[in-house]
Amino acid sequence: GENVEQHPSTLSVQEGDSAVIKCTYSDSASNYFPWYKQELGKGPQLIIDIRSNVGEKKDQRIAVTLNKTAKHFSLHITETQPEDSAVYFCAALHGSSNTGKLIFGQGTTLQVKP
Amino acid sequence: DAGVIQSPRHEVTEMGQEVTLRCKPISGHNSLFWYRQTMMRGLELLIYFNNNVPIDDSGMPEDRFSAKMPNASFSTLKIQPSEPRDSAVYFCASSFGSLISGQGYTFGSGTRLTVV
Repeated sequence: GENVEQHPSTLSVQEGDSAVIKCTYSDSASNYFPWYKQELGKGPQLIIDIRSNVGEKKDQRIAVTLNKTAKHFSLHITETQPEDSAVYFCAALHGSSNTGKLIFGQGTTLQVKP
Repeated sequence: DAGVIQSPRHEVTEMGQEVTLRCKPISGHNSLFWYRQTMMRGLELLIYFNNNVPIDDSGMPEDRFSAKMPNASFSTLKIQPSEPRDSAVYFCASSFGSLISGQGYTFGSGTRLTVV
């Protein structure tokens, strides 16, 4: 069945350093890959997404890259700040964009040390 | 908009009792999703609805779990009877139209369920 693997499960970086989280997916038909950030006591919140027709997308300090051939996508956070500390989830769309579902990775707990 | 509203925020119940979790999606959203989050299994999709119709309930653990969406503005997830292994945070999320051209899922704040 459909599956999304996410690594690492925990990541600790110094403030100002970069952080990279990687995901692989199994459904070759997937064409939409969002990333969600979950802060303590809250629900996940969409921070950036990428469609399969592009290889990279950037929004200020965060960027996502996609390699459809390898079925692999990554989140890059540069110049990390303490407020970036949270759990990050990758996801892949399974099914159509209107009636399909998101399959989430296991999550990465990012700690940014001041 | 107040976002996706879930109630209660916390629920503590005894094993064997019935538990009902509630969700009000964002007005105008036509898809609704119930997820369960645990340390061991992460975010698991339990069931989702499109235009109030259940599309996929393959994630529902067993017959003790049931979900309904009687109208576009309300959904419930019921566990009867509850068991300690049901303890988790349950999230409701909603979305509108195409995920690819839209705004993705909007999650509620979750219901933390503890079954003792």
